[in-house]
Amino acid sequence: NAGVTQTPKFRVLKTGQSMTLLCAQDMNHEYMYWYRQDPGMGLRLIHYSVGEGTTAKGEVPDGYNVSRLKKQNFLLGLESAAPSQTSVYFCASSAPGKGYTEAFFGQGTRLTVV
Amino acid sequence: AQSVTQLDSQVPVFEEAPVELRCNYSSSVSVYLFWYVQYPNQGLQLLLKYLSGSTLVESINGFEAEFNKSQTSFHLRKPSVHISDTAEYFCAVSDLGDYKLSFGAGTTVTVRA
Repeated sequence: NAGVTQTPKFRVLKTGQSMTLLCAQDMNHEYMYWYRQDPGMGLRLIHYSVGEGTTAKGEVPDGYNVSRLKKQNFLLGLESAAPSQTSVYFCASSAPGKGYTEAFFGQGTRLTVV
Repeated sequence: AQSVTQLDSQVPVFEEAPVELRCNYSSSVSVYLFWYVQYPNQGLQLLLKYLSGSTLVESINGFEAEFNKSQTSFHLRKPSVHISDTAEYFCAVSDLGDYKLSFGAGTTVTVRA
């Protein structure tokens, strides 16, 4: 059971380059999230989606875009990377409603922007 | 959105000693509460959760946490830690029906022999 899978696991970008992080979940969860983790700041929500074709801004959305074309996938894009976007990015998914349990997380993508 | 405060950023502890990690959140509305653990270079794993019912919740590896609504707290405890408990611990909160998690800054627990 794969759960939540993120690709790539590591990436180094030059300032101004673009990239897309892919998140895939096989649990048929409605909700998906992108967080970034920085030392001493915990995890902060970038964008989230409450279903296929929907996206919404989280706490720190600037410089990022997302798409949820398929229920199982949630893409995070950086159009023009900046050193401030050096971080570890985590994707998560959950199932809302009566059966709600908890959010499941991927293993993370470590991004360095130089 | 909730504001979550983890009062200790670093907690050094000797093996077999007890440990308590403190977590407070901002709002007294109905909430879901979680503790996640992150081992080095890994993702977050759920340690335990409070959704409803008994205010004392336990994990399979000896941790427990107590939901205190009046103090808006969800402190994590373990009576006797092992070297393998060395990790970073995150408290997370979401409002009932919201499902978006707000995280504390994390507490790094280092267990020494």
